[in-house]
Amino acid sequence: DAKTTQPTSMDCAEGRAANLPCNHSTISGNEYVYWYRQIHSQGPQYIIHGLKNNETNEMASLIITEDRKSSTLILPHATLRDTAVYYCIVRVGRNSGGYQKVTFGIGTKLQVIP
Amino acid sequence: DTEVTQTPKHLVMGMTNKKSLKCEQHMGHRAMYWYKQKAKKPPELMFVYSYEKLSINESVPSRFSPECPNSSLLNLHLHALQPEDSALYLCASSRGLQGIGSPLHFGNGTRLTVT
Repeated sequence: DAKTTQPTSMDCAEGRAANLPCNHSTISGNEYVYWYRQIHSQGPQYIIHGLKNNETNEMASLIITEDRKSSTLILPHATLRDTAVYYCIVRVGRNSGGYQKVTFGIGTKLQVIP
Repeated sequence: DTEVTQTPKHLVMGMTNKKSLKCEQHMGHRAMYWYKQKAKKPPELMFVYSYEKLSINESVPSRFSPECPNSSLLNLHLHALQPEDSALYLCASSRGLQGIGSPLHFGNGTRLTVT
C-alpha cells in the first residue's frame, strides 16, 4: 500500500471549515483513499473513501487532486466533538481473501477551539 | 454507540491469569480483526479472520490466542501476559468478498491492564 504523509497536528476554530491534507504521491491506480478518525477513548470511526472523484457524505467531503497524489478531508462546520486524530489511509479496495489489511499511520491530531 | 460490541470495557489481570476478550457484530460481516493500541500510538494490526479462518497473524506472541467460533463472534484468549501488553484492544469487522471498498467498523475496545 502507498505511504501517506499528514501534518502531526492542526487547530481549527469552532464553526469554521477544517481542511485536513494528506499526501500520497506513490498511490497506484487501483488504490483508494480512506479517512478514519479516532475520538479519545473510542475506536476508530470510518468517515469517507474515494478513488478518483470527489466524494461527499453527511460527515465530510473528500477532495482528491486530478493526479491523485494528494487529497483533502473537509469538515464543513467543525464542532468541539470533531476534536480527534484523523487518519488518511491508502490501500487497494480489498485483498483477494475478502478482508482489508488496514495499516494506520500517525495521523493528524485536530483540535477544534471554541 | 457502535455496531461492534466488545466486552468487557475494562479488564485488570495478573501475569498468571487466563482471561478472554469478546467481540460481537450482527451486520453480516465476514471479516473480523483484532488491533492493539498503546497510548498515543496508532492501532496496530494483530489478527485477521476471513470467513471464520485465520488469514493474517502479524507475528503476535502465542500468549495471545484468537478464536472465531462463528461469523458473528471473535474472541481473544489471553494467558501469561506481561505488563507491557497493557493496551487498548480493538475489534473491527468488514463486509468481506462482496464489499469492495467497504470500510472497517470498530468497537470501542477493551482497556487491558496487566499487573
